[in-house]
Amino acid sequence: RKEVEQDPGPFNVPEGATVAFNCTYSNSASQSFFWYRQDCRKEPKLLMSVYSSGNEDGRFTAQLNRASQYISLLIRDSKLSDSATYLCVVYFNKFYFGSGTKLNVKP
Amino acid sequence: DTGVSQDPRHKITKRGQNVTFRCDPISEHNRLYWYRQTLGQGPEFLTYFQNEAQLEKSRLLSDRFSAERPKGSFSTLEIQRTEQGDSAMYLCASSSLQGARGYTFGSGTRLTVV
Repeated sequence: RKEVEQDPGPFNVPEGATVAFNCTYSNSASQSFFWYRQDCRKEPKLLMSVYSSGNEDGRFTAQLNRASQYISLLIRDSKLSDSATYLCVVYFNKFYFGSGTKLNVKP
Repeated sequence: DTGVSQDPRHKITKRGQNVTFRCDPISEHNRLYWYRQTLGQGPEFLTYFQNEAQLEKSRLLSDRFSAERPKGSFSTLEIQRTEQGDSAMYLCASSSLQGARGYTFGSGTRLTVV
């Protein structure tokens, strides 16, 4: 079983839509949680950290459920520029990456 | 300091040749990581250093792979007798000691073995 599991997508949504990604992780002792964004043939870049209390950064909301070992990312009012692969990342001594969820926002 | 630097950006090599990649981390970061990423997959852990000490190596890192960080600053990753299956993006990242704020990645070295 992989440490971090994500739905690979792709998610094809129109501009302005709300889209949600989910991820589960296997190690209950995991310490920190993140969402990274990766554009085609580029390196991953930190999008946001994820906290149990939930956190928001503009149109992006992340949530962590430690009991269910589940992480989510909600994107509201999708823009064309949001098209990318979103990587769920879990930290326990080192970073474990999901395989990524591809988002295509269409005009 | 503009972030994590990797060199070269692209490398095409013939099967059986040796290749070496370099990574220069953010100067104040103690930890340096190497990951490998193939198409459609997330980055897979290869190895990491804390200062000059190599603390962990993945089972993915066969004996053809070796990594060093001799002075606790830059790191090199060498692949000997390359195989076509080694074709991938090799990503270097650095972080502070706890890594709790996330990694900063370099732009990666894309290796193609022909």
